[in-house]
Amino acid sequence: AQSVSQHNHHVILSEAASLELGCNYSYGGTVNLFWYVQYPGQHLQLLLKYFSGDPLVKGIKGFEAEFIKSKFSFNLRKPSVQWSDTAEYFCAVITTNFGNEKLTFGTGTRLTIIP
Amino acid sequence: ETGVTQSPTHLIKTRGQQVTLRCSSQSGHNTVSWYQQALGQGPQFIFQYYREEENGRGNFPPRFSGLQFPNYSSELNVNALELDDSALYLCASSFRDGTQYFGPGTRLTVL
Repeated sequence: AQSVSQHNHHVILSEAASLELGCNYSYGGTVNLFWYVQYPGQHLQLLLKYFSGDPLVKGIKGFEAEFIKSKFSFNLRKPSVQWSDTAEYFCAVITTNFGNEKLTFGTGTRLTIIP
Repeated sequence: ETGVTQSPTHLIKTRGQQVTLRCSSQSGHNTVSWYQQALGQGPQFIFQYYREEENGRGNFPPRFSGLQFPNYSSELNVNALELDDSALYLCASSFRDGTQYFGPGTRLTVL
């Protein structure tokens, strides 16, 4: 079964710092990869996704992620964070080989930005 | 806003009771998935419905059941509630490429 690991449980940064959140998945076949964000009191929102093509994908609010197949990784990056980026970030993977589109999530990374 | 709505927003039940949670999918989406998110955890897949048929199930007991209606809205039913069922229940709808859009969730508390 596929699994997703997010090694950073809680990250604290100052505004304008650069951000990289790690995500590794375990599955040897074709995957679709996602990052979702959950702002305090709000629902899960899609930040970006990778299906195929250019492994560097850009999402909303200045976020980007790079798919490195050889490392089974899909790390999220942002060059300069803002206080409003404080949220919980979830990496997720879909493997479509099993006939359904089940999202497998990591445990999440809580990001706190200090003004 | 994703266009996915869920009701109710909060619910308090006691052990042994039954609960029904509802989800309206985004317009044009024919697939609905349900997830359970315990505090401090990522969402866990419960099951998925595609065109009114169950299309995959996670590691949840049979007392978790669901329905999808012709308009693609969906229900999640949980029988014989246990304390550990306390969680945020999320519904997500999707269409062609499998990208799932989530509703705000229903917070269930079991006492």
